Amino acid sequence: GQNIDQPTEMTATEGAIVQINCTYQTSGFNGLFWYQQHAGEAPTFLSYNVLDGLEEKGRFSSFLSRSKGYSYLLLKELQMKDSASYLCAVNDSWGKLQFGAGTQVVVTP
Amino acid sequence: GAVVSQHPSWVICKSGTSVKIECRSLDFQATTMFWYRQFPKQSLMLMATSNEGSKATYEQGVEKDKFLINHASLTLSTLTVTSAHPEDSSFYICSARVGGRPRGDTQYFGPGTRLTVL
Repeated sequence: GQNIDQPTEMTATEGAIVQINCTYQTSGFNGLFWYQQHAGEAPTFLSYNVLDGLEEKGRFSSFLSRSKGYSYLLLKELQMKDSASYLCAVNDSWGKLQFGAGTQVVVTP
Repeated sequence: GAVVSQHPSWVICKSGTSVKIECRSLDFQATTMFWYRQFPKQSLMLMATSNEGSKATYEQGVEKDKFLINHASLTLSTLTVTSAHPEDSSFYICSARVGGRPRGDTQYFGPGTRLTVL
C-alpha cells in the first residue's frame, strides 16, 4: 500500500528555520513534490525532486534520498505568511500524486 | 503560466440536486486533469483521473455514477455531483498536467470549489 508520513504540526518563531520531514513507501516513484496550502485555498507548487540531493529555491529548499524513501522541506527566514499546511506528495508509477496528511506550520512573532 | 481556474468557487445546494463544477486550464493544454476531494483538516484524496477524449479512471471507492466526469477538450474538464447529499459536502479541487507522460510533470491546481449540501 501507499504510505506517506509527515509530522502533524510544527511551531517556530519568525526569522527561524524549520525542517519538515517526509518519509514514503509507494508503488513506484517518479518524483516528489512539496506544496503549500493556506486554509480554504488550493495547494500551490513549491518544489520538485526526482534525483537525490538538494534543490534550493529562495528561502525554500527541498532534499531527497530515494534509497531512504526520505525527503525534507527547509523553510528559512520564516515569515508570518509562511503559516500554512505543507503537503508532501509522491508521483507514483501511474503519474498520480499520493499526498501525505500535511504538516501545519505555525509561525509565531 | 500554468493557470488553472475552477467555477464556481463555492456552491450551496439542496439535497437531491446535481451540481456541475468546471475546471479549465487557461494558458496551456492539459491532456490529463485530476479531481480531488478534501475534507476539513485532511489531505487531498484523488477521486479520478480524466483524460481528454476518453473515459475517466476512478479511484477505488469513488462511485462513477455519482461523480460524472467529462473531459471534452484539452482545456476543460467537468465534475458533476449527481443527487448530492450532505455527506458530499467538501472542498473539490482539480489539477491539470501538461503532456501525457507520467514522469515528472507538475500538477497545477485550481482554486477549489467548496460544496455545501443542505
